[in-house]
Amino acid sequence: DAGVIQSPRHEVTEMGQEVTLRCKPISGHDYLFWYRQTMMRGLELLIYFNNNVPIDDSGMPEDRFSAKMPNASFSTLKIQPSEPRDSAVYFCASSLAGLAGPDTQYFGPGTRLTVL
Amino acid sequence: QQQVKQSPQSLIVQKGGIPIINCAYENTAFDYFPWYQQFPGKGPALLIAIRPDVSEKKEGRFTISFNKSAKQFSLHIMDSQPGDSATYFCAASNHNTDKLIFGTGTRLQVFP
Repeated sequence: DAGVIQSPRHEVTEMGQEVTLRCKPISGHDYLFWYRQTMMRGLELLIYFNNNVPIDDSGMPEDRFSAKMPNASFSTLKIQPSEPRDSAVYFCASSLAGLAGPDTQYFGPGTRLTVL
Repeated sequence: QQQVKQSPQSLIVQKGGIPIINCAYENTAFDYFPWYQQFPGKGPALLIAIRPDVSEKKEGRFTISFNKSAKQFSLHIMDSQPGDSATYFCAASNHNTDKLIFGTGTRLQVFP
Protein backbone atom coordinates (compact mmCIF):
# COMPACT_ATOMS: atom_id res chain seq x y z
CA ASP A 1 0.00 0.00 0.00
CA ALA A 2 1.18 3.54 -0.74
CA GLY A 3 0.28 4.80 2.71
CA VAL A 4 -1.69 7.95 3.43
CA ILE A 5 -1.40 10.40 0.55
CA GLN A 6 -1.68 14.15 1.03
CA SER A 7 -1.67 16.94 -1.50
CA PRO A 8 -0.32 19.44 -2.03
CA ARG A 9 2.89 18.94 -0.03
CA HIS A 10 3.48 22.67 0.12
CA GLU A 11 1.02 25.52 -0.25
CA VAL A 12 1.80 29.22 -0.20
CA THR A 13 -1.14 31.57 -0.39
CA GLU A 14 -2.12 35.09 0.47
CA MET A 15 -4.33 36.09 3.35
CA GLY A 16 -7.99 35.91 2.45
CA GLN A 17 -7.61 33.17 -0.13
CA GLU A 18 -9.34 29.79 0.09
CA VAL A 19 -7.11 26.81 0.75
CA THR A 20 -8.07 23.17 0.18
CA LEU A 21 -5.96 20.34 1.52
CA ARG A 22 -6.55 16.80 0.30
CA CYS A 23 -6.09 13.37 1.81
CA LYS A 24 -6.38 9.81 0.57
CA PRO A 25 -6.42 7.36 3.51
CA ILE A 26 -5.08 3.83 3.44
CA SER A 27 -7.58 1.58 1.69
CA GLY A 28 -9.86 -0.22 4.13
CA HIS A 29 -9.21 2.06 7.07
CA ASP A 30 -12.28 3.10 9.05
CA TYR A 31 -10.99 6.28 10.63
CA LEU A 32 -9.56 9.48 9.22
CA PHE A 33 -8.01 12.22 11.35
CA TRP A 34 -6.90 15.76 10.52
CA TYR A 35 -4.16 17.29 12.69
CA ARG A 36 -2.38 20.61 12.73
CA GLN A 37 1.21 20.92 13.95
CA THR A 38 2.90 24.13 15.04
CA MET A 39 5.90 24.86 17.23
CA MET A 40 3.72 26.71 19.72
CA ARG A 41 0.83 24.27 20.04
CA GLY A 42 2.32 20.93 19.00
CA LEU A 43 0.03 18.33 17.39
CA GLU A 44 -3.62 19.31 17.59
CA LEU A 45 -6.50 17.09 16.48
CA LEU A 46 -8.86 19.16 14.37
CA ILE A 47 -11.53 16.65 13.38
CA TYR A 48 -11.97 12.95 12.79
CA PHE A 49 -14.29 10.75 10.77
CA ASN A 50 -15.49 7.18 11.25
CA ASN A 51 -16.85 5.49 8.13
CA ASN A 52 -17.01 8.90 6.40
CA VAL A 53 -19.10 10.46 9.18
CA PRO A 54 -17.64 13.36 11.21
CA ILE A 55 -17.50 12.25 14.84
CA ASP A 56 -15.73 15.04 16.68
CA ASP A 57 -14.95 18.47 15.28
CA SER A 58 -14.32 20.14 18.62
CA GLY A 59 -10.74 20.86 17.60
CA MET A 60 -11.66 22.90 14.55
CA PRO A 61 -10.44 26.38 15.50
CA GLU A 62 -13.26 28.42 14.00
CA ASP A 63 -15.88 28.57 11.30
CA ARG A 64 -13.28 29.34 8.69
CA PHE A 65 -12.29 25.69 8.84
CA SER A 66 -14.40 22.91 7.35
CA ALA A 67 -13.77 19.26 6.49
CA LYS A 68 -15.57 16.74 4.36
CA MET A 69 -15.26 13.08 3.58
CA PRO A 70 -17.50 12.36 0.58
CA ASN A 71 -16.31 8.76 0.31
CA ALA A 72 -14.01 6.26 1.98
CA SER A 73 -11.01 7.19 -0.12
CA PHE A 74 -11.01 10.98 -0.01
CA SER A 75 -11.20 13.84 2.45
CA THR A 76 -10.67 17.58 2.26
CA LEU A 77 -9.85 20.25 4.79
CA LYS A 78 -10.80 23.73 3.67
CA ILE A 79 -9.84 27.09 5.12
CA GLN A 80 -11.81 30.09 3.90
CA PRO A 81 -10.67 32.80 4.28
CA SER A 82 -7.11 31.91 5.25
CA GLU A 83 -5.12 33.98 7.76
CA PRO A 84 -1.38 34.13 8.54
CA ARG A 85 -1.98 32.38 11.89
CA ASP A 86 -3.20 29.33 9.95
CA SER A 87 0.37 28.71 8.78
CA ALA A 88 1.29 25.23 9.99
CA VAL A 89 1.85 21.68 8.85
CA TYR A 90 -1.42 19.82 8.41
CA PHE A 91 -1.40 16.05 8.73
CA CYS A 92 -3.96 13.50 7.76
CA ALA A 93 -3.90 10.09 9.45
CA SER A 94 -5.98 6.94 9.08
CA SER A 95 -6.51 3.84 11.15
CA LEU A 96 -8.48 0.65 11.41
CA ALA A 97 -10.95 0.07 14.22
CA GLY A 98 -9.18 -2.12 16.78
CA LEU A 99 -10.78 -4.79 18.92
CA ALA A 100 -9.75 -2.98 22.10
CA GLY A 101 -10.03 0.57 20.93
CA PRO A 102 -8.22 2.63 18.33
CA ASP A 103 -5.59 0.92 16.28
CA THR A 104 -2.34 2.45 15.05
CA GLN A 105 -2.75 5.79 13.31
CA TYR A 106 -0.78 6.05 10.07
CA PHE A 107 0.18 9.60 9.21
CA GLY A 108 0.64 11.12 5.81
CA PRO A 109 3.66 13.28 4.93
CA GLY A 110 1.79 16.47 5.72
CA THR A 111 1.01 19.70 3.88
CA ARG A 112 3.09 22.71 4.85
CA LEU A 113 0.82 25.74 4.58
CA THR A 114 2.17 29.26 4.53
CA VAL A 115 -0.29 32.14 4.53
CA LEU A 116 1.33 35.47 3.70
CA GLN B 1 -7.79 16.05 32.70
CA GLN B 2 -7.39 15.23 29.03
CA GLN B 3 -3.81 16.46 28.93
CA VAL B 4 -0.67 14.41 28.61
CA LYS B 5 2.36 16.22 30.00
CA GLN B 6 5.70 15.41 28.39
CA SER B 7 9.24 16.27 29.44
CA PRO B 8 11.87 17.29 28.65
CA GLN B 9 11.20 19.55 25.69
CA SER B 10 14.61 18.74 24.24
CA LEU B 11 17.36 16.28 24.97
CA ILE B 12 20.95 15.99 23.79
CA VAL B 13 22.95 12.80 24.33
CA GLN B 14 26.06 11.21 22.95
CA LYS B 15 26.00 8.03 20.92
CA GLY B 16 25.55 5.06 23.22
CA GLY B 17 23.74 7.07 25.89
CA ILE B 18 20.28 6.20 27.24
CA PRO B 19 17.88 9.10 26.75
CA ILE B 20 14.72 8.93 28.84
CA ILE B 21 11.53 10.80 27.99
CA ASN B 22 8.75 11.06 30.55
CA CYS B 23 5.00 11.51 30.29
CA ALA B 24 2.28 11.94 32.89
CA TYR B 25 -1.49 11.84 32.62
CA GLU B 26 -4.49 12.52 34.85
CA ASN B 27 -7.33 10.62 33.20
CA THR B 28 -7.43 7.15 34.78
CA ALA B 29 -9.69 5.98 31.96
CA PHE B 30 -6.77 6.04 29.51
CA ASP B 31 -5.87 2.48 28.54
CA TYR B 32 -3.56 2.77 25.55
CA PHE B 33 -0.22 4.58 25.55
CA PRO B 34 1.70 4.78 22.26
CA TRP B 35 4.92 6.58 21.41
CA TYR B 36 5.34 8.15 18.00
CA GLN B 37 8.60 9.09 16.30
CA GLN B 38 8.81 11.97 13.83
CA PHE B 39 11.73 12.77 11.55
CA PRO B 40 12.04 16.24 9.99
CA GLY B 41 9.72 16.67 7.04
CA LYS B 42 7.82 13.46 7.79
CA GLY B 43 4.64 12.53 9.58
CA PRO B 44 4.76 10.85 13.00
CA ALA B 45 5.01 7.06 12.95
CA LEU B 46 4.16 4.58 15.68
CA LEU B 47 7.28 3.41 17.50
CA ILE B 48 6.01 1.30 20.39
CA ALA B 49 2.85 1.12 22.51
CA ILE B 50 1.77 -0.30 25.85
CA ARG B 51 -1.49 -1.12 27.62
CA PRO B 52 -1.76 -0.81 31.42
CA ASP B 53 -1.88 -4.55 32.09
CA VAL B 54 1.94 -4.68 31.88
CA SER B 55 4.60 -2.50 33.49
CA GLU B 56 7.19 -2.72 30.74
CA LYS B 57 7.39 -3.40 27.03
CA LYS B 58 10.55 -3.75 25.02
CA GLU B 59 11.02 -3.68 21.27
CA GLY B 60 14.61 -3.72 20.14
CA ARG B 61 16.42 -0.80 21.74
CA PHE B 62 13.18 0.93 22.75
CA THR B 63 11.50 0.27 26.10
CA ILE B 64 8.34 1.70 27.64
CA SER B 65 8.11 1.69 31.41
CA PHE B 66 4.62 2.16 32.81
CA ASN B 67 3.67 3.11 36.39
CA LYS B 68 -0.10 2.88 36.73
CA SER B 69 -0.28 4.14 40.32
CA ALA B 70 1.80 7.20 39.51
CA LYS B 71 0.03 7.70 36.19
CA GLN B 72 3.34 8.01 34.43
CA PHE B 73 5.09 6.29 31.55
CA SER B 74 8.45 6.76 29.95
CA LEU B 75 10.45 5.86 26.87
CA HIS B 76 14.02 4.61 27.18
CA ILE B 77 16.30 4.32 24.17
CA MET B 78 19.18 1.96 24.81
CA ASP B 79 22.50 2.42 23.02
CA SER B 80 21.20 5.52 21.23
CA GLN B 81 22.42 6.21 17.71
CA PRO B 82 22.60 9.39 15.61
CA GLY B 83 19.79 7.90 13.49
CA ASP B 84 17.51 8.10 16.54
CA SER B 85 17.65 11.89 16.33
CA ALA B 86 13.99 12.85 15.93
CA THR B 87 11.04 14.28 17.81
CA TYR B 88 9.24 11.83 20.07
CA PHE B 89 5.60 12.16 21.10
CA CYS B 90 3.85 10.24 23.82
CA ALA B 91 0.09 9.84 23.55
CA ALA B 92 -2.84 8.34 25.40
CA SER B 93 -6.35 7.22 24.59
CA ASN B 94 -9.29 5.26 25.90
CA HIS B 95 -11.13 2.48 24.10
CA ASN B 96 -14.39 4.42 24.46
CA THR B 97 -13.04 7.23 22.36
CA ASP B 98 -11.07 7.08 19.17
CA LYS B 99 -8.94 10.14 19.87
CA LEU B 100 -5.25 10.14 20.73
CA ILE B 101 -4.18 12.87 23.13
CA PHE B 102 -0.60 13.78 22.26
CA GLY B 103 2.10 15.18 24.49
CA THR B 104 3.99 18.28 23.40
CA GLY B 105 6.96 16.36 21.99
CA THR B 106 10.64 15.93 22.84
CA ARG B 107 13.31 16.79 20.34
CA LEU B 108 16.16 14.30 20.74
CA GLN B 109 19.61 14.87 19.28
CA VAL B 110 22.17 12.09 19.43
CA PHE B 111 25.72 13.18 18.64
CA PRO B 112 28.38 10.76 17.35
